[in-house]
Amino acid sequence: EAQLVESGGGLVQPGGSLRLSCAASGFTFSSYSIYWVRQGPGKGLEWVSYISSGSGVIYYADSVKGRFTISRDNAKNSVYLQMNSLRVEDTAVYYCVSLLVGRYYFEHWGQGTLVTVSS
Amino acid sequence: SYVLTQPPSVSVAPGKTATITCGGNNIGSKSVHWYQQKSGQAPVMVINFDSDRPSGIPERFSGSNSGNTATLTISGVEAGDEADYYCQVWDSSSDHVFLGTGTKVTVL
Repeated sequence: EAQLVESGGGLVQPGGSLRLSCAASGFTFSSYSIYWVRQGPGKGLEWVSYISSGSGVIYYADSVKGRFTISRDNAKNSVYLQMNSLRVEDTAVYYCVSLLVGRYYFEHWGQGTLVTVSS
Repeated sequence: SYVLTQPPSVSVAPGKTATITCGGNNIGSKSVHWYQQKSGQAPVMVINFDSDRPSGIPERFSGSNSGNTATLTISGVEAGDEADYYCQVWDSSSDHVFLGTGTKVTVL
């Protein structure tokens, strides 16, 4: 069974940093692009970062550009999101989501990890 | 940027039909995917490529896409269909995914 498991969320003060991890299993991870999609309290879904299967293409939403860094290690079936200079408005559940180029839909979702930015 | 507009909420009585729209400029030229998100859970895809149902999704869920509007239809609504629903497209010109604003379906 395909699975994505996020970790690394928690409570952090404004201006602080967190590193989220996402571990994949049950599918050919190295063939899939990965998105980090977040959902603020009571809000809709918002993609924040994208990394292609071979790490050659990376995108960031304007709201996080310059503060977040996405990376992946296909040997470890893992993707990471380094979040710096965190703001209160970054408070959200962060989902790791897979997408196969050519299908262009979100195929596998993690259970999410909660990031709370508060003093 | 490509904007996908959904009604914030739809209310429907059990056994009736719920219709959720997703508006976008010439969305009929793109493939639309729909996700259901129940409270406290990760989203689950209920329709892909406008009208295809993934394995395990009831036939009550159907989709269509034409012109500037894509539609998700839930026939014979059940209490368990109460959830938020999101549409999603991929835009080839920008190579970006776009998500709709979300619709909360309430079963009366």
